[in-house]
Amino acid sequence: NAGVTQTPKFQVLKTGQSMTLQCAQDMNHNSMYWYRQDPGMGLRLIYYSASEGTTDKGEVPNGYNVSRLNKREFSLRLESAAPSQTSVYFCASRHSSSSSNYNEQFFGPGTRLTVL
Amino acid sequence: DAKTTQPPSMDCAEGRAANLPCNHSTISGNEYVYWYRQIHSQGPQYIIHGLKNNETNEMASLIITEDRKSSTLILPHATLRDTAVYYCIVSGGSNYKLTFGKGTLLTVNP
Repeated sequence: NAGVTQTPKFQVLKTGQSMTLQCAQDMNHNSMYWYRQDPGMGLRLIYYSASEGTTDKGEVPNGYNVSRLNKREFSLRLESAAPSQTSVYFCASRHSSSSSNYNEQFFGPGTRLTVL
Repeated sequence: DAKTTQPPSMDCAEGRAANLPCNHSTISGNEYVYWYRQIHSQGPQYIIHGLKNNETNEMASLIITEDRKSSTLILPHATLRDTAVYYCIVSGGSNYKLTFGKGTLLTVNP
């Protein structure tokens, strides 16, 4: 049981380049999330997917797109990277149901992205 | 979500109890108090959550005041591996989001 996995672990981009961050979970969770964490700060929600086939914006969605490929996978795409997107990106998943508001999220190890 | 206030840093001696406070005076009736921690460079880890009763699990205890305006996370016997940033988060109802503040950096000293 790997939990939440993220690839790559590290990435360096030049301004204007594009890339996709991959996230997968093997816990059969319905909901998945993408956060970013800047130095000395807490995590900020970029996008989330409450269930397969749905995605919604979080607190800081500008410059990003997401795809919920299937129940296991949730990818984050930077179409034209900017230095302001230099950050650590964390993916998380959560089991959710209409009868529960239990909000235990399981986090991946993060992707450290530098945009030059 | 209700806003939370935590001290920026705390120290604790190894083997002693660590008591981390959190104020959440605007918490609403259907919101839970969650605690997560983040060990350096790793993803956050869930610790415990509660609504109004005190809770205990294998990692920690959570004490919530009767008016629910504040809470304390207790690590009963802190170890060096408990050095981390601890986040107190209020979340609940139909809101699945976790809003992370800056948390409390707990340093456990030998």
